[in-house]
Amino acid sequence: NAGVTQTPKFQVLKTGQSMTLQCAQDMNHEYMSWYRQDPGMGLRLIHYSVGAGITDQGEVPNGYNVSRSTTEDFPLRLLSAAPSQTSVYFCASSLQGSGNTIYFGEGSWLTVV
Amino acid sequence: KQEVTQIPAALSVPEGENLVLNCSFTDSAIYNLQWFRQDPGKGLTSLLLIQSSQREQTSGRLNASLDKSSGRSTLYIAASQPGDSATYLCAAPEAAGNKLTFGGGTRVLVKP
Repeated sequence: NAGVTQTPKFQVLKTGQSMTLQCAQDMNHEYMSWYRQDPGMGLRLIHYSVGAGITDQGEVPNGYNVSRSTTEDFPLRLLSAAPSQTSVYFCASSLQGSGNTIYFGEGSWLTVV
Repeated sequence: KQEVTQIPAALSVPEGENLVLNCSFTDSAIYNLQWFRQDPGKGLTSLLLIQSSQREQTSGRLNASLDKSSGRSTLYIAASQPGDSATYLCAAPEAAGNKLTFGGGTRVLVKP
């Protein structure tokens, strides 16, 4: 039972580079989201999706893009990496929105130098 | 905008003592409140989800209460064990229901 799978687990980027963090879930969940976790700032919502083809912005969306072409996948794209995007990124999913139990991936540690 | 606060940020207790973790929220019109556990270097694991119509939820040694009128939720962990050492976070959705706001977490250390 894979649950929510994130790749890569660790990544180092140079300023200005782009990359995609992958997230996949095998629970047929409609709701998926991306958070970043920073010391002293806690967990903050970047983008979320309530179903295939539907995405919306969270609290800190600038510098990130998402798309939801399938129910299973919700990739997060960093368009031009900046040191301020150094963080731990978590993908999460639930059956339908925040009214249901939310399942998190193991996290992706990103360093931008 | 929903704001969620957890105080204290850290606490240490001897093994066997009951743990009481606090969570405060500003918007009492919440849909639900969820408690999570996070181990170092890991993702979050959902412990309990309390719907707005419920006053408490129980799972094994864990019991979570919800008081919307006072804007508080409390997570009780009975007879703590060293394996309970972790960071515990609570989260409540925005009024629209799909944006979760997390508290800063309480880091718990249970000493053998």
